[in-house]
Amino acid sequence: EAQVTQNPRYLITVTGKKLTVTCSQNMNHEYMSWYRQDPGLGLRQIYYSMNVEVTDKGDVPEGYKVSRKEKRNFPLILESPSPNQTSLYFCASTPTGLNTEAFFGQGTRLTVV
Amino acid sequence: QKEVEQNSGPLSVPEGAIASLNCTYSDRGSQSFFWYRQYSGKSPELIMFIYSNGDKEDGRFTAQLNKASQYVSLLIRDSQPSDSATYLCAAYNTDKLIFGTGTRLQVFP
Repeated sequence: EAQVTQNPRYLITVTGKKLTVTCSQNMNHEYMSWYRQDPGLGLRQIYYSMNVEVTDKGDVPEGYKVSRKEKRNFPLILESPSPNQTSLYFCASTPTGLNTEAFFGQGTRLTVV
Repeated sequence: QKEVEQNSGPLSVPEGAIASLNCTYSDRGSQSFFWYRQYSGKSPELIMFIYSNGDKEDGRFTAQLNKASQYVSLLIRDSQPSDSATYLCAAYNTDKLIFGTGTRLQVFP
């Protein structure tokens, strides 16, 4: 089954404790991105990757890191999480760029206390 | 700041009625437009996309685009309770996809 898989689905952590949210897709898509979704603000792009070893900042990159060592995986790293990073996070992939259907992962609800 | 505006709702319609969801965008260079449906606690999934002015129909769904007025809409005919969800409008221009905050639709029996 074609899918984007994120883990974990739920995470509660403390301020400053490094964490990684994993994302994997099995559709051989080149383009992957991370979004956060907050009430009243909609989906905002954090980082994206157009291919292996190619990543770039989206609209709200501060406090996040990503890597793309393999085509299928695109982890999101929070080196020192803060409470303002409490949010619902989605990984998404598309065959090429953003001008096509995006396939979203199940979401990760992160709470930073 | 490029924006996509949607009424947050909720938009309440009876089962069998037509639901009309609207979206305006500020970037005149936007080339294509997407409607995603998001059930509570779930991820967005694509309903329709539209590139050209006019209407595009797919089953019970019709997307309408008016680039002169910078307006996109989604009509859902014969609305069902299972259509109750938040509908996200998104506008694409040159590697940027801007999402609206979504309109919550409630279809009551």
